[in-house]
Amino acid sequence: AQKITQTQPGMFVQEKEAVTLDCTYDTSDPSYGLFWYKQPSSGEMIFLIYQGSYDQQNATEGRYSLNFQKARKSANLVISASQLGDSAMYFCAMRELILGNEKLTFGTGTRLTIIP
Amino acid sequence: GAGVSQSPSNKVTEKGKDVELRCDPISGHTALYWYRQSLGQGLEFLIYFQGNSAPDKSGLPSDRFSAERTGGSVSTLTIQRTQQEDSAVYLCASSQTRLGNQPQHFGDGTRLSIL
Repeated sequence: AQKITQTQPGMFVQEKEAVTLDCTYDTSDPSYGLFWYKQPSSGEMIFLIYQGSYDQQNATEGRYSLNFQKARKSANLVISASQLGDSAMYFCAMRELILGNEKLTFGTGTRLTIIP
Repeated sequence: GAGVSQSPSNKVTEKGKDVELRCDPISGHTALYWYRQSLGQGLEFLIYFQGNSAPDKSGLPSDRFSAERTGGSVSTLTIQRTQQEDSAVYLCASSQTRLGNQPQHFGDGTRLSIL
């Protein structure tokens, strides 16, 4: 089974609209973390936001927020008031501790294109 | 600079040659990771270092791949007898510790092309 599933290979969104990027995960570890990264066409991986499995509140960082639904094992990224510079690949990732070793598993990504 | 530094940024080599990729993590970061990203794909985990030791080498694709880290700092990823399927972007990341909410900070990657 896929550890991290991103079901939207590509999305087109009008500038200034909000966008939700889906991410579901699968783990039996009670302690885990979820990360979102942005990868523009230039290639660098930019950390956006983190959600811990024990965090009571949804994480927020500026225009980014994470809709964390633990029972559904989903951690969707919400970008409010999208901008042209938001066009990029977005990766969801999960950190687990397996046999004492940290593992970060990435999804296949969603390519977001913001339309002017 | 203050970020993760990788060199070379681009490497083109002939099939069968050995290549060595370098990663200089952020100062003070004890955890270091190597990933591989093929064209249009997500990141494939290769190996993880905590200090100089590599407790998890499970992602290395074959015995042609090896990595080391010395002095708890610089790491090198070596690919011997390169094959065309080794062509990819190799990304290095570091984090302050291996636990918690510390994000991994990525370098710009080495784009490896095997002819």
